[in-house]
Amino acid sequence: DTAVSQTPKYLVTQMGNDKSIKCEQNLGHDTMYWYKQDSKKFLKIMFSYNNKELIINETVPNRFSPKSPDKAHLNLHINSLELGDSAVYFCASSPRLGVQPQHFGDGTRLSIL
Amino acid sequence: DAKTTQPPSMDCAEGRAANLPCNHSTISGNEYVYWYRQIHSQGPQYIIHGLKNNETNEMASLIITEDRKSSTLILPHATLRDTAVYYCIVALGNAGNMLTFGGGTRLMVKP
Repeated sequence: DTAVSQTPKYLVTQMGNDKSIKCEQNLGHDTMYWYKQDSKKFLKIMFSYNNKELIINETVPNRFSPKSPDKAHLNLHINSLELGDSAVYFCASSPRLGVQPQHFGDGTRLSIL
Repeated sequence: DAKTTQPPSMDCAEGRAANLPCNHSTISGNEYVYWYRQIHSQGPQYIIHGLKNNETNEMASLIITEDRKSSTLILPHATLRDTAVYYCIVALGNAGNMLTFGGGTRLMVKP
């Protein structure tokens, strides 16, 4: 069974649309994260959630909103998509806040036309 | 700003040891050194981490210098499947969730 799974794997959409990416972990972890990897391959953390509470929010536009219906899920909603949002988005989880290692999903490649 | 410096790329012959260096001269006393790798089209994978002492697990060994300003990740017998980008990251233990990935080292294992 996949530990951290993301759907969809690929997402192609037009500028201005609203889209969501889903993430689920079956590891029983308390903390989940979203990272963005841009065209230069730099991975930057966007959000982390611990026990359904947002605890880190880097300088990310408010068009991006994480939503966690339960401890095992952290979905990423993006409104009014822009060309610069094209990237690979990775979900990750860790046992507790501050405890390594983080387990990553295989990413969602978002392309904005 | 990146807290670590790594060579952008390295080659290694299959079956030989791969030694990946990392400089972290501004590391503070309570910061750990973490290593992750990213194989093409996959998410990052945790390898190993340490604070002061050298560490070894089933994947690799981590050698940290006495002054903690640099470290080396050692893959003892590199295989073609070890071809990946390797990231050295420095982060606080109690805030280890705040991982900042730099450019990493692209390791190419060649037959």
